Amino acid sequence: DAGVTQSPTHLIKTRGQQVTLRCSPKSGHDTVSWYQQALGQGPQFIFQYYEEEERQRGNFPDRFSGHQFPNYSSELNVNALLLGDSALYLCASGIEAANSPLHFGNGTRLTVT
Amino acid sequence: DAKTTQPPSMDCAEGRAANLPCNHSTISGNEYVYWYRQIHSQGPQYIIHGLKNNETNEMASLIITEDRKSSTLILPHATLRDTAVYYCIVRPRSQTGANNLFFGTGTRLTVIP
Repeated sequence: DAGVTQSPTHLIKTRGQQVTLRCSPKSGHDTVSWYQQALGQGPQFIFQYYEEEERQRGNFPDRFSGHQFPNYSSELNVNALLLGDSALYLCASGIEAANSPLHFGNGTRLTVT
Repeated sequence: DAKTTQPPSMDCAEGRAANLPCNHSTISGNEYVYWYRQIHSQGPQYIIHGLKNNETNEMASLIITEDRKSSTLILPHATLRDTAVYYCIVRPRSQTGANNLFFGTGTRLTVIP
């Protein structure tokens, strides 16, 4: 039973570019949340997707957007990359109706140069 | 945003019990206490959660005080692989806000051989 999988594991982009990160939730899970973790800090909530809609959003600008597909997988898009967007991006999945524990992937390490 | 307070670091001898404290004095009756840990370069791993009763699973035990203002995570026989950052998180029972986990900076546990 595969857990939460994220791709790619590492990525290097240039300031001003756009990036797309991908997440496949744990089998049986229907909601996906995205988190950003800067070096030395705890993860910070970006947004949650359920039923292909953004349901909750943290304190992140509109440059951060996402999508959820009918198979529950999700993408995180970041436009106009800034140096400060360099971080570990984590995807977490759960079962919305059950308010079950969230399970995290191992993240995508994004470096913006 | 901080709803929990944890010591920044702790050491524990290998084979001994590790007791990690957490204060959550403003917790409401509608909120769970969750514990996650993050081993270097991996995503957060769910450990255990509870509402008011003590809980035990194959990884750890969670002791919640009667007034629910603090809790202790117990790793009964710490191994070197338990070296990680441990996060205590207060999470609402309702679906609103349930995916927005506030991690804080956690406790860095070092298990010493």
